[in-house]
Amino acid sequence: QVQLQESGPGLVKPSETLSLTCTVSGGSISSYYWSWIRQSPGKGLEWLGYIYYNGNTNYNPSLASRVSISVDTSKKQFSLQLSSVTAADTAVYYCATGEQRWLHRFWGQGTLVTVS
Amino acid sequence: QSVLTQPPSASGTPGQRVTISCSGNTSNIGSNYVNWFQQLPGTAPKLLIYGDNQRPSGVPDRFSGSRSGTSASQSGTSASLAISGLQSEDEAAYYCAAWDDSLKGVVFGGGTKLTVL
Repeated sequence: QVQLQESGPGLVKPSETLSLTCTVSGGSISSYYWSWIRQSPGKGLEWLGYIYYNGNTNYNPSLASRVSISVDTSKKQFSLQLSSVTAADTAVYYCATGEQRWLHRFWGQGTLVTVS
Repeated sequence: QSVLTQPPSASGTPGQRVTISCSGNTSNIGSNYVNWFQQLPGTAPKLLIYGDNQRPSGVPDRFSGSRSGTSASQSGTSASLAISGLQSEDEAAYYCAAWDDSLKGVVFGGGTKLTVL
């Protein structure tokens, strides 16, 4: 069973870059699609993008100019960077994974990032 | 404004059967699998149904999913989640999701808050 754990600063200043890392355990990072999804307070879910283990990425078009996802297979980690953040980027950020790009089978517990 | 449309709320009494709808278009539900997630308060979403109607290990068979095209009464771009034998622990938010060929990404519904009366 794959387990995921998000980590990173809980507070980011406006205009700065949000950086989060997801650590993978219980499975190989050299397979599957590794995704980031966020949920604004009291709102629904928003897909940010994914990275395949070979480095191929795909981002939400509405955020593509600000989002970057990378993978470090040696550390079994993948990371999210979101630049030029505003208060609208305040959300719980989840990492998730699955065998297909459309399937989020396993999720991290989520981490709240506040932009202020 | 979510790409997939769900009713904001639903309710039922213990033992009842409840259905939650998810409406999209030909770029998403009309041509791709639908997944459903359950989110209990304060927790991460949990995969409930994938590939339209498959249950991950550990999900009770009280939960079932369907996508239009399998029933004459449904349009070509919608899906449904059915919960039978409703229990108090089913009180949660439910989200549908699908790949969208036009947006080239995953789109979610706005979520349905289920209340067990």
